[in-house]
Parts: sequence; structure tokens; C-alpha cells
Amino acid sequence: GAGVSQSPRYKVAKRGQDVALRCDPISGHVSLFWYQQALGQGPEFLTYFQNEAQLDKSGLPSDRFFAERPEGSVSTLKIQRTQQEDSAVYLCASSSFVSEGRSYNEQFFGPGTRLTVL
Amino acid sequence: KNEVEQSPQNLTAQEGEFITINCSYSVGISALHWLQQHPGGGIVSLFMLSSGKKKHGRLIATINIQEKHSSLHITASHPRDSAVYICAVLPTSGTYKYIFGTGTRLKVLA
Repeated sequence: GAGVSQSPRYKVAKRGQDVALRCDPISGHVSLFWYQQALGQGPEFLTYFQNEAQLDKSGLPSDRFFAERPEGSVSTLKIQRTQQEDSAVYLCASSSFVSEGRSYNEQFFGPGTRLTVL
Repeated sequence: KNEVEQSPQNLTAQEGEFITINCSYSVGISALHWLQQHPGGGIVSLFMLSSGKKKHGRLIATINIQEKHSSLHITASHPRDSAVYICAVLPTSGTYKYIFGTGTRLKVLA
């Protein structure tokens, strides 16, 4: 497609359930980012991939959060044993240009997945 | 104190008004990004700039690197401009990590 897509758009999970959120970046974009946006807040960085390599996962809030991008295109963010504090919008973004492992170019955002944990 | 501060946090305007949203930051940056987020959650890129001024339609963005300040202006505002406007900076260290402001919630009344 023309832009970044994410699925599902909405997910309701019971506390303790595992969830998987998918991101399809813009074709050819080497860099992929995941962000978490709590209600009324700005997005916060979770993790960054350059192709299939996860170069930075410093923003993942706990070891219940895991992200992968095995073939350097589609990425999945997995949250195990969800808690109520995981309720947020999860945003994915991709970027085309990489220099010495860093993306200087504009990031293009997907529509987000709104996760509600009951 | 947040590294990126936006003001105002909330803004209500009448259709046709000129609107200004401000962003101040405390870190050295390589670029600043203005984003628009509608209630559904998706984010649309408006401008990315590292100096001067950019204009697109009724939107104008300016940045003053020395003063660490940027403004987003909307001329002849319209109800469809109602959204959350987010300022995000790319710091010169760790350049791929955006630092986001908390956003300005704009409501334009018909």
C-alpha cells in the first residue's frame, strides 16, 4: 500500500491475555519504529529496527514486551500477560533513509492500534 | 520539565480565526516535526523543518534554532482543522529517537 498500515485497529484484551500487533511499513523503508501513546500524552519511543536488526529496544517498558521484524519488512509487537497499564495506542512508523545506523529522514506514521486491557 | 513543551494545551477557536500553536524545546536538534492527530489515532505529517519557514496551503511552520522555538500557524481556520497537533524533535544525539510534546488539542467551531 501507499502508507504504513497497522492491524488490528482496535483490540480489547482481558488482563493476562497475550496480544500481537502488526505493522506493515512503506515498501522499501529500512527503518521501523514502535511508539506507545497513553491517553492525553504524546507518543513515547519503544523500539527501533533497521531492516531485520533491532538496534534499540531501550523504550520497551518490561520484558513482557517483545518486537520482531524477521524479514526486514512486516513487524510484530507482542505483549505477554497484558496489564491494565498497557492500555494505549501503539503507533508504528517507518523511514527510508539510514546513515551510520541512524534515520535522519521523516518518519511516516500508521493509524495506530488502540489496545484496551480490561 | 519536559524537553518539549507545547502551548496552549487546549485551544478553541471560531471558524476563520488565525491560530498559533507554540513549541519550545531544551535540547539540540537536527530537525523538528509538526504532526496532526485526529480522534481515530492516526498521525499525519504536516512539516519537517530544521530552519526558517515552510508553508503548505493554510498552514505555516516557523522555527528559530537559536531560541529553540517553533510555531505552527493556521490561517482561516476551519472545523476540519480540529485535531491534536503534536511537535516532535529529533535531537542531535540519538537522532532517530523523536521526543514528542504532549500535543495541543484544537477545536474549531463553525
